[in-house]
Amino acid sequence: EVQLVESGGGLVQPGGSLRLSCAASGFTFSSYAMSWVRQAPGKGLEWVSAISNSGDSTYYADSVKGRFTISRDSSRNTLYLQMNSLRAEDTAVYYCAKAPYSYAETNFDYWGQGTLVTVSS
Amino acid sequence: SYVLTQPPSVSVAPGKTARISCGGNNIGSKSVHWYQQKPGQAPVLVIYSDTDRPSGIPERFSGSNSGNAATLTISRVETGDEADYYCQVWDLRSDPNVLFGGGTKLTVL
Repeated sequence: EVQLVESGGGLVQPGGSLRLSCAASGFTFSSYAMSWVRQAPGKGLEWVSAISNSGDSTYYADSVKGRFTISRDSSRNTLYLQMNSLRAEDTAVYYCAKAPYSYAETNFDYWGQGTLVTVSS
Repeated sequence: SYVLTQPPSVSVAPGKTARISCGGNNIGSKSVHWYQQKPGQAPVLVIYSDTDRPSGIPERFSGSNSGNAATLTISRVETGDEADYYCQVWDLRSDPNVLFGGGTKLTVL
């Protein structure tokens, strides 16, 4: 059974940093691309970032480019999102999502339950 | 930049057919995916690559995509289908990125 478990969310002050993790199990993590998608309270889905299975290709939404970094560690079956220079508008539930292929340019066939990030003073 | 437009809400009586549209410039040339999200839960993929259903998704869910609109059709709607629905594409122009529609709240009357 595919499982994606996010962690690392919490309350952080504007300008601060946070690193999210997504522990994957039930599939060969190194074979599939992964993404982060967020959802602000009461709002719709917003894609944040994606990474290919090898990590060679990464993509970012304009809203986070230069502030967030996606990475993965296949030895730990874990996806990461390093978030720096956080702003109030980054407040959201962050989901990690799996792609059905090695490349990221496709759909998301499995999602985690999400971790809440709140940016506030 | 590319924009996906969905109606904010659609209402339908149980047993009837619901159609949720996703508009975009020449969206028929893109691969469209659809997600269902119930309150407090993570999204679930219900249609991928315009028309395909993942295993476990009822045959009542179907999709189409042509011209400037993609459509998610739910036949014989049940109360359990009440949820938010989002369309999604990849914009593969100069700076590849993912786009979601604004979401449609399906209400079962």
